[in-house]
Amino acid sequence: GESVGLHLPTLSVQEGDNSIINCAYSNSASDYFIWYKQESGKGPQFIIDIRSNMDKRQGQRVTVLLNKTVKHLSLQIAATQPGDSAVYFCAEAVGNEKLTFGTGTRLTIIP
Amino acid sequence: KAGVTQTPRYLIKTRGQQVTLSCSPISGHRSVSWYQQTPGQGLQFLFEYFSETQRNKGNFPGRFSGRQFSNSRSEMNVSTLELGDSALYLCASSFGQPGELFFGEGSRLTVL
Repeated sequence: GESVGLHLPTLSVQEGDNSIINCAYSNSASDYFIWYKQESGKGPQFIIDIRSNMDKRQGQRVTVLLNKTVKHLSLQIAATQPGDSAVYFCAEAVGNEKLTFGTGTRLTIIP
Repeated sequence: KAGVTQTPRYLIKTRGQQVTLSCSPISGHRSVSWYQQTPGQGLQFLFEYFSETQRNKGNFPGRFSGRQFSNSRSEMNVSTLELGDSALYLCASSFGQPGELFFGEGSRLTVL
């Protein structure tokens, strides 16, 4: 999962399997969380978001889980496809403050 | 509708020079944020502008500055460039409330 540091965590998943990307955040006051996907040579692209009054939110093939007790966020991608290969970032915000991004996790889908 | 447009996409400068990067947000978006992305530090927040006013600022030296025009277009400037300023500079726009940021493709700056 993601952590503060210089090294980008990596995750390799077989095509068709489910993947789970984890993110630990530090600010207990954060009330908004968002996941982004960044493909090579492109800017980050919105995947899904969740507010602190929820613990789960589902999108198309993606689910975000929020555990405020342990300050943990996860992104689940169902039935991964080659196009899911990218770097995934979690981000957190407090109110109208700026989004603070994690360092990212590189997801590689194995054919 | 058109996405966030950043220009130039690539540029090479030498130490001591200055650079100006431009960002055109999505039509109707009033907030523009700038981020610096490097392999070692990830995405670092530079500043956010909303209705021509700087609303939030990150921890970057004064060499990094920005502004927003009445049409919401934004520019950022880096003066007295250093080697460590080599990075991908990303612009993102939104309606201004906490929510989805729409990112551009970035401007890749190389300082030699």
